[in-house]
Amino acid sequence: GENVEQHPSTLSVQEGDSAVIKCTYSDSASNYFPWYKQELGKGPQLIIDIRSNVGEKKDQRIAVTLNKTAKHFSLHITETQPEDSAVYFCAARGFGNEKLTFGTGTRLTIIP
Amino acid sequence: AAGVIQSPRHLIKEKRETATLKCYPIPRHDTVYWYQQGPGQDPQFLISFYEKMQSDKGSIPDRFSAQQFSDYHSELNMSSLELGDSALYFCASSSPGHQPYGYTFGSGTRLTVV
Repeated sequence: GENVEQHPSTLSVQEGDSAVIKCTYSDSASNYFPWYKQELGKGPQLIIDIRSNVGEKKDQRIAVTLNKTAKHFSLHITETQPEDSAVYFCAARGFGNEKLTFGTGTRLTIIP
Repeated sequence: AAGVIQSPRHLIKEKRETATLKCYPIPRHDTVYWYQQGPGQDPQFLISFYEKMQSDKGSIPDRFSAQQFSDYHSELNMSSLELGDSALYFCASSSPGHQPYGYTFGSGTRLTVV
């Protein structure tokens, strides 16, 4: 089955700086890679996703890059703000309605 | 836009009792997934249903069962509850042919077993 590793487990950055979270996956058949933001007591919220036919995707301050050859993908948050503080999970999934396999999460803290 | 609805939000049960968690997917989503998230852990896949049939099974204990009904809502039944079952239980729905694409999670049910 798929195995997703995520680093770092905790990350603190100054407000306004950039944050980068990295994930690797094991199953070369995986072709969908979402990122979720989870705030305390809430369900994971999809913030950005990328499919395997795309190398990079950007949405305002958030970007995701995918290297299929190396089987890793990264989340980039620029101009970080206090409200970006949360736990972020990467995930990978194969074709169709297959289950998501999550990374172990990164607790991001933005220091004002 | 309609989201995934889970009920109840909080549930407190005693050991060996039974609990039923409900999930109402986004309209026209035909696939439902159940995840268990322990404190400080990543969500762990339990089970999924596609068009009312079980489509995949993860680390779901034999004490748990689930089903998807004709209106696509799903229920997770948990019997002989143990202290270790205390966790957040999330339901997610998806459908390749309808937006929003990808998974959408509900707000979860926090189960506490005492």
